[in-house]
Amino acid sequence: GQQLNQSPQSMFIQEGEDVSMNCTSSSIFNTWLWYKQEPGEGPVLLIALYKAGELTSNGRLTAQFGITRKDSFLNISASIPSDVGIYFCAGPESGYALNFGKGTSLLVTP
Amino acid sequence: SQTIHQWPATLVQPVGSPLSLECTVEGTSNPNLYWYRQAAGRGLQLLFYSVGIGQISSEVPQNLSASRPQDRQFILSSKKLLLSDSGFYLCAWSAISGGTGELFFGEGSRLTVL
Repeated sequence: GQQLNQSPQSMFIQEGEDVSMNCTSSSIFNTWLWYKQEPGEGPVLLIALYKAGELTSNGRLTAQFGITRKDSFLNISASIPSDVGIYFCAGPESGYALNFGKGTSLLVTP
Repeated sequence: SQTIHQWPATLVQPVGSPLSLECTVEGTSNPNLYWYRQAAGRGLQLLFYSVGIGQISSEVPQNLSASRPQDRQFILSSKKLLLSDSGFYLCAWSAISGGTGELFFGEGSRLTVL
């Protein structure tokens, strides 16, 4: 299936800082999804993108569907301690399932 | 509203013992159902998916099997567990077929094989 490369692998930031992470694909996607997973829990959908160039916000989170359709970006503004977790990008695998990136681990210090 | 539950939440099993993890979805009909495994807190690997009762597709040949005896029930099983089966197992559902549907995950089941 398509490979999804997320970067950075991990981030260690101070509360109040802005965060930016991205995801690239080896092939074109029609959908980009961003999930957050907290320790010991299942991933929770944050933002869904369905159109190239689309920019969508969810509170302090903003995600963009790249024009090339091979990348997507997630930004978190004014981070807070509860933003801690692993952020995954995902796109549709051929058929019915989603293919996930390896995740960006975010740590926020007060 | 739709909900998804899976159990048990935590399981410690000896090598060679059987496994049964169960997942149920409420509030929707004819969902697509999925089992993912996550090792070492990163990377979600698709194990099985189902688009209907009795229809199971396996993505990775291994020691596990899946069954869908009812529309909103998905079961992950093994006859004999291996050490390498340890991990965090996630059930998920989607409402749209065709590969563009958003997935919604359960709480996860942590399996430790000793």
